[in-house]
Amino acid sequence: NAGVTQTPKFQVLKTGQSMTLQCAQDMNHNSMYWYRQDPGMGLRLIYYSASEGTTDKGEVPNGYNVSRLNKREFSLRLESAAPSQTSVYFCASSVRGGQPQHFGDGTRLSIL
Amino acid sequence: AQSVTQLGSHVSVSEGALVLLRCNYSSSVPPYLFWYVQYPNQGLQLLLKYTSAATLVKGINGFEAEFKKSETSFHLTKPSAHMSDAAEYFCAVRLEGGGNKLTFGTGTQLKVEL
Repeated sequence: NAGVTQTPKFQVLKTGQSMTLQCAQDMNHNSMYWYRQDPGMGLRLIYYSASEGTTDKGEVPNGYNVSRLNKREFSLRLESAAPSQTSVYFCASSVRGGQPQHFGDGTRLSIL
Repeated sequence: AQSVTQLGSHVSVSEGALVLLRCNYSSSVPPYLFWYVQYPNQGLQLLLKYTSAATLVKGINGFEAEFKKSETSFHLTKPSAHMSDAAEYFCAVRLEGGGNKLTFGTGTQLKVEL
């Protein structure tokens, strides 16, 4: 009964380092999302995947790349981390597009 | 452009009192509206959604929201607050045909006091 699982839960990076945030869902959902949450700004969509093999940019895609590896997994990559990317990142999924139904518990990322 | 405004970043109520969290939207076409709840150190959970059917929408945990087109509002209510309701609540809006563009409000932190 895992739902949406994100790894890692916490990470500290130095400016310029790269890393990949992992996300997996076990609900057989078609659509998956990556959001970032910053204080006082709500959630903003980074990338979206309607189905395996497809990805689309969201509101704030610059500095990020994604891979929909299969139906279960949707990873988010920071190629060269910047302090402005310090945030809490949430992965989410839904049966089909429109709005996310289930969220992971988040990855708290700090970039020094 | 669609947007959503949540009035009051912090709301405090007594246990057993009415909960009212305010949300106003801006949209030139009929929107889809949502309320999500976020407990500490967790992701968001969908509380309820309005998709142009009944204007009074019932959600989980005893919450409900009423779509009022004339007031461009979608306020969240619960008749009697419980300590377990303490969380952050987000209103969100999406336009029909707007794909996956869900615009979130900035959130309202609900505190429930004894």
